[in-house]
Formats: sequence, C-alpha cells, structure tokens
Amino acid sequence: SQQGEEDPQALSIQEGENATMNCSYKTSINNLQWYRQNSGRGLVHLILIRSNEREKHSGRLRVTLDTSKKSSSLLITASRAADTASYFCATDTNAGKSTFGDGTTLTVKP
Amino acid sequence: GAGVSQSPSNKVTEKGKDVELRCDPISGHTALYWYRQSLGQGLEFLIYFQGNSAPDKSGLPSDRFSAERTGGSVSTLTIQRTQQEDSAVYLCASSLGLDEQYFGPGTRLTVT
Repeated sequence: SQQGEEDPQALSIQEGENATMNCSYKTSINNLQWYRQNSGRGLVHLILIRSNEREKHSGRLRVTLDTSKKSSSLLITASRAADTASYFCATDTNAGKSTFGDGTTLTVKP
Repeated sequence: GAGVSQSPSNKVTEKGKDVELRCDPISGHTALYWYRQSLGQGLEFLIYFQGNSAPDKSGLPSDRFSAERTGGSVSTLTIQRTQQEDSAVYLCASSLGLDEQYFGPGTRLTVT
C-alpha cells in the first residue's frame, strides 16, 4: 500500500455534524499537508503541519499529527454542504518527494 | 500575482502520437512537481524539480515519459507514443522550498 492513505474512502454526514478523516503514512516526513478537491476542479491547499507540530487549527479545520503512529487526522467542524469534496493528504519528505493518498470523498447533506 | 498556469487545458490526441504539456510555475518558486490524476483516483507523483535538476524521477511510469525544466522556470512534460492508459489529468504544482504546493488547473489528456 502506498504512503499517505486516507481513511475512510467515503464519508456521508448531515450539515452541522463534524467530519473526521484520517491519513496514515509509512516513512519519515518533513511535513504533511491536506488538500481539498471539488469535483472537476483543481486542488486547494488547506493546511500544512510540520513534523515537529502536533496540532494546527485554521477556521473550522483542525489537523493533528502523531509521528509515532505515522498518522494525521483532519477534523471539519460544523460541516456545510459546500464542504462536499474530496480531501487528500500529502506527505513530503526531505528529499522533496510528495506523495498523495487516494483521498476521502466527503458528502455533506443539507 | 499569477498562479501556476498550464497549457493546453485540454488535449485530445490519437494513440501513438507524442504530446507536450507545459507548466508555468509561480515566479520565484524553486520547486516544481508533476502529478497525474486518473478519473476518480488520487494523485500519482511523477517527477520533482529543484531548480533545473530532477533528483527524483522514480515516479515516471515508463521511458515514454520525460520532463525538463529550463531556466528554473517553465517545465514541459513529454509523453511519446501515447497510449490510452495515459489518459488523465496532468497537474503541475510549484512551491518555494519544500512547503505548500500551489497547483495549476491541470491539462486533461485524452488519448483516443
């Protein structure tokens, strides 16, 4: 299996609920980033967390990083229908190689 | 300032033909990445440039794929003798150092 795997593959929730997506990776990383991709659109960078950080917040987004477990989570609080998208984690190594997972497809029902 | 731009936005080509995809990174960004995204899939790393050199070419799917970057700026991804399985969206991203990557809109390649 590849570096940067998201879990679950698909998530469907009601508007107002929280959504949690997880990402696991295999090798040591320099940083980990989360991206959003709306259907048929380009990728939008959401948040970057460095290997020496454990938690970061940005608006309704909260990202955690556990380097001992090689995992990260993305929490979207008070979800909105506009949050419907695919979410990808990407791990960057010090060598510059960036590896994306297959993504989590989030559907927020109004 | 301008973001990452890619051209063409769409390319339809016949199997066996060569195609060239272009990426204009954000001015001053030293790192440039090429990815491929097949329908409904995640991103597949192809190649990374730091300046004009590519320290990691391991993601290129076959020897039909090549990429170059000149002047530390524009990059071209060339696919020779295209095959139907090459059909995908090819995305380019640039970054300053090894931080946040800014993505272009992609080139949708269809091989008929």
